Amino acid sequence: EDQVTQSPEALRLQEGESSSLNCSYTVSGLRGLFWYRQDPGKGPEFLFTLYSAGEEKEKERLKATLTKKESFLHITAPKPEDSATYLCAAGFAGGTSYGKLTFGQGTILTVHP
Amino acid sequence: DAGVIQSPRHEVTEMGQEVTLRCKPISGHDYLFWYRQTMMRGLELLIYFNNNVPIDDSGMPEDRFSAKMPNASFSTLKIQPSEPRDSAVYFCASSPRLAGYNEQFFGPGTRLTVL
Repeated sequence: EDQVTQSPEALRLQEGESSSLNCSYTVSGLRGLFWYRQDPGKGPEFLFTLYSAGEEKEKERLKATLTKKESFLHITAPKPEDSATYLCAAGFAGGTSYGKLTFGQGTILTVHP
Repeated sequence: DAGVIQSPRHEVTEMGQEVTLRCKPISGHDYLFWYRQTMMRGLELLIYFNNNVPIDDSGMPEDRFSAKMPNASFSTLKIQPSEPRDSAVYFCASSPRLAGYNEQFFGPGTRLTVL
């Protein structure tokens, strides 16, 4: 069964303390690995798409990387406004799965000033 | 573009009542998705449409749930009769034509409470 697992469930950091969030996946025919940010009371907001192992993408203090089995979201020198739930999702190839994303449970990030 | 629009934003109803959630996708997007989010189960895909046609409804929990997309700019998710365990946040998302694999854009959600 295709699965997406995120760790840790929750992460508390001090402002400026860099860290990484993990997303591991067991899927057949991965077509894309997506990272989203979700603030309380809002819908998920797209951050990155990674398509192949070795690919990296950056946006401000965030950098996403992808291997054949997992993805990392690195947060460098975080600020309190980076506090949110970070979701990863995997897209699959083929048949009726095409277009479908399977989401992980998310990591709740809290950055203290 | 205004983004994905959902209504109502909040719905409180009593068990047994019919509930209809509405979604307007981003203009020009070919795919529309309905998700449900709870603390216990996270974000779950219920059903998705391509060019107004349902493609995969394997996530619809039971026959009480139904979804329609009568045209490219409107979709509904209906629960009849509603039960307390249906309480959740329901999201609609849309995506452009999948040349490769494109991101989904989410609406603000409808928070449903069934008493």
